[in-house]
Amino acid sequence: QVQLVQSGAEVKKPGASVKVSCKASGYTFTGYYMHWVRQAPGQGLEWMGWINPNSGGTNYAQKFQGRVTMTRDTSISTAYMELSRLRSDDTAVYYCARSMPGDGDILTPFDYWGQGTLVTVSS
Amino acid sequence: EIVMTQSPATLSVSPGERATLSCRASQSVSSNLAWYQQKPGQAPRLLIYGASTRATGIPARFSGSGSGTEFTLTISSLQSEDFAVYYCQQYNNWPPELTFGGGTKVEIK
Repeated sequence: QVQLVQSGAEVKKPGASVKVSCKASGYTFTGYYMHWVRQAPGQGLEWMGWINPNSGGTNYAQKFQGRVTMTRDTSISTAYMELSRLRSDDTAVYYCARSMPGDGDILTPFDYWGQGTLVTVSS
Repeated sequence: EIVMTQSPATLSVSPGERATLSCRASQSVSSNLAWYQQKPGQAPRLLIYGASTRATGIPARFSGSGSGTEFTLTISSLQSEDFAVYYCQQYNNWPPELTFGGGTKVEIK
């Protein structure tokens, strides 16, 4: 069965960086785009961007451009999201989510999600 | 950016009753609209995509309709497990950014 297992909770100081991992299993990792979505405490969902695990190509939400980097390691079927220059309002649960099958860079909704990783930014 | 607006913010419904949730897009997204359900402490779950297609394993009491800028999620007879927050999401390809609505919380009346 498809599973996305994320790394554990992190506590970071303002200005630092955080890197969250998402290990995929139960399907061909390179066959489906991976997205990252975050959710601040008590708030809604915010899309951050996607990575094409096959090519390594990325597309980031304008809000995060320059601060976010999405990468992957196909040898261990794992995607990564690194966010730099952290601020207190980056405190959130970060999710990876698999995109439904699509053609090329056509956007599709998300059929499987990781369990979420809480990132707390505090001095 | 396409802005998605959901209404109402909170919907109080009795078990067994019908719930109707709305989602409006700031510009046409055709049928590129999905609905998700999220329960406390859990990741969202895909309910509907293509505005009206139920995802795998989703009960028939969930239905979606609409196209362009106006969309509706209907839960025909609320079960106890349906009390949750529901989000709409547009995945139109231009501009190439997905956006979510702010959510509708369905609570027990």
